[in-house]
Amino acid sequence: EIVMTQSPATLSVSPGERVTLSCRASQSVTGNLAWYQQKRGQAPRLLIYGASTRATGVPARFSGSGSGTEFTLSISSLQSEDFAVYYCQQYNNWPPALTFGGGTKVEIK
Amino acid sequence: QVHLKESGPGLVKPSETLSLTCSVSGGSLRSGGYYWSWVRQPPGKGPEWIGYIHDSGNTYYNPSLKSRVTIMRDPSKNQFSLKLSSVTAADSAMYYCARDLRAFSYGPVDYWGQGILVTVSS
Repeated sequence: EIVMTQSPATLSVSPGERVTLSCRASQSVTGNLAWYQQKRGQAPRLLIYGASTRATGVPARFSGSGSGTEFTLSISSLQSEDFAVYYCQQYNNWPPALTFGGGTKVEIK
Repeated sequence: QVHLKESGPGLVKPSETLSLTCSVSGGSLRSGGYYWSWVRQPPGKGPEWIGYIHDSGNTYYNPSLKSRVTIMRDPSKNQFSLKLSSVTAADSAMYYCARDLRAFSYGPVDYWGQGILVTVSS
């Protein structure tokens, strides 16, 4: 099983600041990495797939980068609606064996 | 726009079988080449992928749950279902049904149901 490790577990940030979240895979997942945003009481929302492609309707302030085992999600200027938990997910295996990270909570400082 | 909705009991006794159904609207389980999944999320933890059923009828399961999981579909009703046997308290979670973003390619999940909270308790 590919283990996904996210850091930090919690990030305290002020609105308007730039945020960088990290995700590490226990083995290479090439570029098969997605990021999700989850707000309390809601299902996850797909933000990024293919490590760097924004999903439909996702604001340009969200960007993803990385390949292999190291990935980053950046939010250029944090808005109030961005305070949430963010998860990474890999989908590199065949047959499929998707795994998610433990999440990074972005909270108001 | 694809909509998914989970249904089933919110309380299951230990050692029994958890059974959930996902009703799909705005998309068909008969065609399109999509992967349809079940994902669960214990309170305060990250999501855990349970398994897929593809439009072809092929199924793929999380190796850690494979011995207890069955995912089936009923295209005539546009529904797919989850059965998880021999449940314990560790299976208590929010259960989501979902569909992947792209046809003929698995991985990123774009459409999610609202989720159903299942508690395992006597």
